[in-house]
Amino acid sequence: KNQVEQSPQSLIILEGKNCTLQCNYTVSPFSNLRWYKQDTGRGPVSLTIMTFSENTKSNGRYTATLDADTKQSSLHITASQLSDSASYICVVSAGTSGTYKYIFGTGTRLKVLA
Amino acid sequence: DTEVTQTPKHLVMGMTNKKSLKCEQHMGHRAMYWYKQKAKKPPELMFVYSYEKLSINESVPSRFSPECPNSSLLNLHLHALQPEDSALYLCASSQIGTVIAKNIQYFGAGTRLSVL
Repeated sequence: KNQVEQSPQSLIILEGKNCTLQCNYTVSPFSNLRWYKQDTGRGPVSLTIMTFSENTKSNGRYTATLDADTKQSSLHITASQLSDSASYICVVSAGTSGTYKYIFGTGTRLKVLA
Repeated sequence: DTEVTQTPKHLVMGMTNKKSLKCEQHMGHRAMYWYKQKAKKPPELMFVYSYEKLSINESVPSRFSPECPNSSLLNLHLHALQPEDSALYLCASSQIGTVIAKNIQYFGAGTRLSVL
């Protein structure tokens, strides 16, 4: 069964601190993995997309890693800001070219405090 | 232009009303999606259109009726909804093809629907 699990469910950190969010997946055939940021009441916005051969990808203060052997990904946020408060969703695509199924994780709700 | 535009932003309707949600994109994407999202839950896939044809219907009740009039537009027609249908309805689009890096879903801001 295709599944994506995220941890922690929720996280509270102080502004300026770093944090790491985890995503474990059992998806076959794996195509790619994406991290999205979703502000409350808004649509998700893509942060990074990683394919099987990529280990690390950065987007500003966001750095995603992927270990295809252990089927784990992490999203590291550096020097957090109040605007980072949001839900972070890991989405794994399964399938071959042209026909994809998107499996959503349950998300991590991050709260950054001043 | 990497925008997916959804209208209206908010909608309140009674259980006997008929209303429609609209979604538009001009990125040339040939796959379009409707998702339903309840509070503190991930989006749940409802429908997928590929090349303007319905390719996936995730056993959605018939009170939700999708329509894709052309490659840029996606509608969701609502009729006789229930209070439990209140949620954020998200539209997304993506390319179809072999280039994985292009296989990104772009989401609209959503329509917040309340059924009274």
